[in-house]
Amino acid sequence: QKEVEQDPGPLSVPEGAIVSLNCTYSNSAFQYFMWYRQYSRKGPELLMYTYSSGNKEDGRFTAQVDKSSKYISLFIRDSQPSDSATYLCAMSDQGAQKLVFGQGTRLTINP
Amino acid sequence: DSGVTQTPKHLITATGQRVTLRCSPRSGDLSVYWYQQSLDQGLQFLIQYYNGEERAKGNILERFSAQQFPDLHSELNLSSLELGDSALYFCASRRQNSNTEAFFGQGTRLTVV
Repeated sequence: QKEVEQDPGPLSVPEGAIVSLNCTYSNSAFQYFMWYRQYSRKGPELLMYTYSSGNKEDGRFTAQVDKSSKYISLFIRDSQPSDSATYLCAMSDQGAQKLVFGQGTRLTINP
Repeated sequence: DSGVTQTPKHLITATGQRVTLRCSPRSGDLSVYWYQQSLDQGLQFLIQYYNGEERAKGNILERFSAQQFPDLHSELNLSSLELGDSALYFCASRRQNSNTEAFFGQGTRLTVV
């Protein structure tokens, strides 16, 4: 079993829709959670960074962490074609010996 | 611009050869991570260095090695290259060893022919 599970998609939605991306994990020691956006064959770009449980909002993006369920989400409101990319979740523990990534979800926003 | 610099951007080499990939972390970042991303695959963790010392190892082949120098830049050495080593290699840096964001470079695209 992988430490982090993420549905690879692909996910295709119309412009303006609310997008929900999710990851589940098995290691209860994870405390730091990140979402990255990766355009085709480019370096991952950090979108959101959260610590422990709760919500964090930044513009059209909201990150949620539910440690009791070992489940994290990224919501994108008013989705735009420019949001089309692969979204990767990542997490690490207090010791931060490594960053563990999900497989990535390929998202397409259709105009 | 993340502030993490990787060179070269592209590399084409033959099987059996050896290459060195370079990563300069963001100013002040002590931790460097190396990842491999094959076509349509996720990021596979290879190795982490913190302030010159190896901190964690992932699925790194014995043919691969890395080091972090006193000026904190890091190099990933790949030897006896095989066709299957063709991939994007990313490095990421972090301010401390924990609880800070990690920022990625733009990667080195390695093609082994």
